[in-house]
Amino acid sequence: GQNIDQPTEMTATEGAIVQINCTYQTSGFNGLFWYQQHAGEAPTFLSYNVLDGLEEKGRFSSFLSRSKGYSYLLLKELQMKDSASYLCAVRDEGGADGLTFGKGTHLIIQP
Amino acid sequence: EADIYQTPRYLVIGTGKKITLECSQTMGHDKMYWYQQDPGMELHLIHYSYGVNSTEKGDLSSESTVSRIRTEHFPLTLESARPSHTSQYLCASTASRRTYEQYFGPGTRLTVT
Repeated sequence: GQNIDQPTEMTATEGAIVQINCTYQTSGFNGLFWYQQHAGEAPTFLSYNVLDGLEEKGRFSSFLSRSKGYSYLLLKELQMKDSASYLCAVRDEGGADGLTFGKGTHLIIQP
Repeated sequence: EADIYQTPRYLVIGTGKKITLECSQTMGHDKMYWYQQDPGMELHLIHYSYGVNSTEKGDLSSESTVSRIRTEHFPLTLESARPSHTSQYLCASTASRRTYEQYFGPGTRLTVT
């Protein structure tokens, strides 16, 4: 089975930087995803890590340490539209590629 | 922009009714998924499919059933809806290569009264 933990809620200021942490305990691991989900909408893909290290994509970066069961999502130059839930998800080793999601971190951006 | 569609977007229905939630994708993806998400809670995988004529149950037990007769279509059916089925149902698909990114449809918000 999988257990994924991330903070329930975070608050940050427009223009600043925020780091959202995710820890996982899994029976198998084949990659970690970050998704963004605005209220009432479908999740949209942000990043994917399967090897240790940092992946950068514009204002968003994601880091993975497989030995520590730890990942973070870093958001720079925060904008009001970044207010959303950020979901950490782990892909299992089975062939179906199904994802196990954390409960998500609700990020509030203040002016 | 991913091309995955779900209908209806919103459905309010009485207890005991049979309902089918539709999901279609035009990307030719072989793997498709159904997730269930209660407000403020995590997504739970309830069904998945490797391809045509393949269906499997996910991590969360569900009274719903699915079918996969065509690659692009993965409908979910509840034979007799109950209030406990009230939730958001999200369909997703992925190709069996590259980053395995799952593309999500807009979801169906189901309310059973």
